[in-house]
Amino acid sequence: GAGVSQTPSNKVTEKGKYVELRCDPISGHTALYWYRQSLGQGPEFLIYFQGTGAADDSGLPNDRFFAVRPEGSVSTLKIQRTERGDSAVYLCASSYTYRETQYFGPGTRLLVL
Amino acid sequence: RKEVEQDPGPFNVPEGATVAFNCTYSNSASQSFFWYRQDCRKEPKLLMSVYSSGNEDGRFTAQLNRASQYISLLIRDSKLSDSATYLCVVRENTGKLIFGQGTTLQVKP
Repeated sequence: GAGVSQTPSNKVTEKGKYVELRCDPISGHTALYWYRQSLGQGPEFLIYFQGTGAADDSGLPNDRFFAVRPEGSVSTLKIQRTERGDSAVYLCASSYTYRETQYFGPGTRLLVL
Repeated sequence: RKEVEQDPGPFNVPEGATVAFNCTYSNSASQSFFWYRQDCRKEPKLLMSVYSSGNEDGRFTAQLNRASQYISLLIRDSKLSDSATYLCVVRENTGKLIFGQGTTLQVKP
């Protein structure tokens, strides 16, 4: 079946601009996670959705970052006033429940110039 | 101190060698442990779960020592295709994954 998909695969933007990153989880997966991976590092947790609600947003670095999952399926990660330090690969993962294996999407490579 | 610590390597080994990776974690209440594999410019993929009793999957053996908060991965008879980054991962009760920095393995002919 189809895996987790993310769009766009690459995004180049200028400092100060607004970006939206989309994640389409595996059908039927109720849990959805966003992670951020900087070069040479492991992924770092950003936010976890159980259904439509953000169950844990403790990893969001500041209030420029926001995510939604309005219908309990697709999720959008929104970054306002982007900074060069936001450049990273943004990974989305989904799982059937929070106790099950997480399957990752291919990621969105964000470059802020 | 990082929650999950790994030696980043790189580990350069010849084909057929046995190689071991180690990892330590700081949260003694952690319950679930994994090794993920990540190829260059790809997403992480689950390699195997890690249990206290130790578990094996073909050439791969994983071990957990709860008392020492230590996790290991042993790869026997290394193949060229094993070249990748190996991520040590701890799962918290919410399902959130905490990743180590990753250990890079390069298997050479």
